[in-house]
Formats: sequence, structure tokens, C-alpha cells
Amino acid sequence: SQTIHQWPATLVQPVGSPLSLECTVEGTSNPNLYWYRQAAGRGLQLLFYSVGIGQISSEVPQNLSASRPQDRQFILSSKKLLLSDSGFYLCAWSVRGGGRPFYGYTFGSGTRLTVV
Amino acid sequence: TQLLEQSPQFLSIQEGENLTVYCNSSSVFSSLQWYRQEPGEGPVLLVTVVTGGEVKKLKRLTFQFGDARKDSSLHITAAQPGDTGLYLCAGDTTDSWGKLQFGAGTQVVVTP
Repeated sequence: SQTIHQWPATLVQPVGSPLSLECTVEGTSNPNLYWYRQAAGRGLQLLFYSVGIGQISSEVPQNLSASRPQDRQFILSSKKLLLSDSGFYLCAWSVRGGGRPFYGYTFGSGTRLTVV
Repeated sequence: TQLLEQSPQFLSIQEGENLTVYCNSSSVFSSLQWYRQEPGEGPVLLVTVVTGGEVKKLKRLTFQFGDARKDSSLHITAAQPGDTGLYLCAGDTTDSWGKLQFGAGTQVVVTP
């Protein structure tokens, strides 16, 4: 069965420090991978998505970047965190694109990031 | 601008009561999903609807996709405390495969 791992679960970082959040998927090949951010208990905003190794699309201009060094690994990074980067970050995967219908995501358990 | 509007934002009911959550948009969706999220956890997929007018049942949960594929509803019969959570609808359009647009969510609280 497919599983998705995301870590760390919580993180407190000072303003100006770097960030690295990691997400890995097991039990599937060639997944689409996504990073979302969720404001306090509300809807999700798509930050990045990837359809393959080294292929990253950014949805929102921001202080963050993403990389996909391996097929089932997705990393969210920042060189210098801002207070506004605080939030709940979620990684998700779906089957590789194109075919209809699209059946949805499997999410990781999330990382609560607090920038102080 | 929120592509998907969910209502109500918050719903508090007693155990045994019924509830309905709505998800509306002016856009046509190729598919629409409903997720439930518990505090500190990632959302969990409940159902995907793809055909206009489709009705799916998952135990006490009934999901309906509008005929025009622009709206959806989630109905819970005889709610239980375990139904407490944030319910999110999400859809993808024909030109955004896999890039879901999420509603802001409906927080449901079921008290014993």
C-alpha cells in the first residue's frame, strides 16, 4: 500500500533562519507531488507541484522554494524565513496526470511551522 | 478570490441530528472531492464525485454532485461525535488537472 511521510511534525524557527521540510512517498512510482499551506483551520493554498524529478511549478510568489531530487522525494525550503511563513504545511501525492477523472490526493500528516 | 464557497463556516449540533454542508462555485469541475481533517492532521479523502447529478453514500454520509457540476453537498444523518472535524471540498477544472482548488472548509462539532 502507498504511504506518505512528512517531517518534522512541528518546528519553531527564528526569523531569518533557513528551512527544510521533507516529504517521501512509498509504494508508488511516478507520483505527482504537491506542497500546500493551510491558514489556521481553514482552506488550503497550493504552493508547488511537481510532475517529475526536477520539474517544479510554483503557484504563488513567495519566500519559499521546492525541489524534487528523487522520484518520491519532495522538499520545501527557504533561505531566510519570515514571520508570514508560519502555518501548517501539507505534502500530498496523486497518481501521474492526464487521465480522467482525477481521484484526489493522499496527504501527509503535516508540519506546524512557527516562525518567531 | 475563493473559487469554491463553502457554507456554513461553522456548524454545532447535538448527537443524532442531521446536517448538510454546501460547496458552490461558478466554475465547472471535472471532479470534486470531499475531505475531513482532524486537528493537527492532514485531510483524509472521503469521496470523489465526477458525474453531474451523481449521488454517493458512505455509511451515514451522502454526497451529491450538482447536475451542472458546479456545486456539491454533504449530508450526514444521525451525526455522531466522531463526525467532528473540518470538512473541505476541492475540485479540479478541465485546464488544471490535479491542481485542486479548496473551499475554506466547514468546521463541524457534534456534541454528545
